[in-house]
Amino acid sequence: NAGVTQTPKFRILKIGQSMTLQCAQDMNHNYMYWYRQDPGMGLKLIYYSVGAGITDKGEVPNGYNVSRSTTEDFPLRLELAAPSQTSVYFCASRGIGQGTSEAFFGQGTRLTVV
Amino acid sequence: EDQVTQSPEALRLQEGESSSLNCSYTVSGLRGLFWYRQDPGKGPEFLFTLYSAGEEKEKERLKATLTKKESFLHITAPKPEDSATYLCAEAGQAGTALIFGKGTTLSVSS
Repeated sequence: NAGVTQTPKFRILKIGQSMTLQCAQDMNHNYMYWYRQDPGMGLKLIYYSVGAGITDKGEVPNGYNVSRSTTEDFPLRLELAAPSQTSVYFCASRGIGQGTSEAFFGQGTRLTVV
Repeated sequence: EDQVTQSPEALRLQEGESSSLNCSYTVSGLRGLFWYRQDPGKGPEFLFTLYSAGEEKEKERLKATLTKKESFLHITAPKPEDSATYLCAEAGQAGTALIFGKGTTLSVSS
């Protein structure tokens, strides 16, 4: 099992550009999450999903969009990138009812908007 | 709004000097309290889940405990390889979202 895979690992965007951060999991987990992490600020929840076709806003959703058409994939879309979106983005998945229900994280995408 | 507060923000210990990290939460009806370790440039790595007051879990030099409004991560005789940022999170009333604290950065010197 690969676990949670995020692509790309690094990306530089210009202000106003758009991009999609990819996240895939192969553990058949129903819950998936997107977080951003800024220095000294912990993990802030952007969006989450409890299953295919269902998404909900987290603490900091503005400037982002998500979709969940399959159990495996949960892409994060940035429209009109701004310098404030410079951050490290983490995707996670969690299998409710499968043991301790902890979340498993990807290795992150480091995004710089210039 | 659910909140998770961790203290201290940073902690410096000598090798072998035991201490505790604190995580306080505001949610009523806790559906899980999680501890993670994060090394620089990596994603968080799961350590423990606690569900009810009085519960304790141990792994090597780490022990996590839970009360009605707080959790503690006790580190006994730490080693330099225990240096990392330790994050706690709660699963909210619905058990769906995972809300994290800002973390405690632990540095252990030999």
